[in-house]
Amino acid sequence: ETGVTQTPRHLVMGMTNKKSLKCEQHLGHNAMYWYKQSAKKPLELMFVYNFKEQTENNSVPSRFSPECPNSSHLFLHLHTLQPEDSALYLCASSPGDRLTNEKLFFGSGTQLSVL
Amino acid sequence: QQQVKQSPQSLIVQKGGISIINCAYENTAFDYFPWYQQFPGKGPALLIAIRPDVSEKKEGRFTISFNKSAKQFSLHIMDSQPGDSATYFCAASKGSGYALNFGKGTSLLVTP
Repeated sequence: ETGVTQTPRHLVMGMTNKKSLKCEQHLGHNAMYWYKQSAKKPLELMFVYNFKEQTENNSVPSRFSPECPNSSHLFLHLHTLQPEDSALYLCASSPGDRLTNEKLFFGSGTQLSVL
Repeated sequence: QQQVKQSPQSLIVQKGGISIINCAYENTAFDYFPWYQQFPGKGPALLIAIRPDVSEKKEGRFTISFNKSAKQFSLHIMDSQPGDSATYFCAASKGSGYALNFGKGTSLLVTP
């Protein structure tokens, strides 16, 4: 167990649905990340939060909306997704008082299927 | 544009053999090169990492070899075990404050 918990583990949603992914880290880290993992593609960094402030947004479509209410929790709100958004969504955290990628701790991910 | 190219895509090794996974990069500003290991149903976990001031780093059965002039680095798994069967990702970054650029991953199967 890495100390990063993601829920739900699996999610099936229609293109018109609204759903949210949740991530909680119990490690006292200050930076949290959302990554997208698709088959045969590199992990794609979506969003970074450092001390609850978004520090990076890698040109992610607006149908993905992140929220970081505190340094332990991270959400990814989903609405009007497309089938190509089906993927494993990974949350990660890292220690330090700035964006520090030296060691990422990943959760087990949410496997999302968009029908 | 893919910043880190990883090969092979998949690899089958017999128990006790050596598994070798290779990565290449173009950006000479990269100065941190980690390898992550991912088991099915789990997120990636940091396995071992190297900086370009050394050419090799060893932790147990896992070794990173780094060739700065060739802009290549590789992961060697000695005495490979069935429990090593997983997907391995190389990555590179310009260090603290910069995002990791991951390779596409290598699926390793170690047969008994």
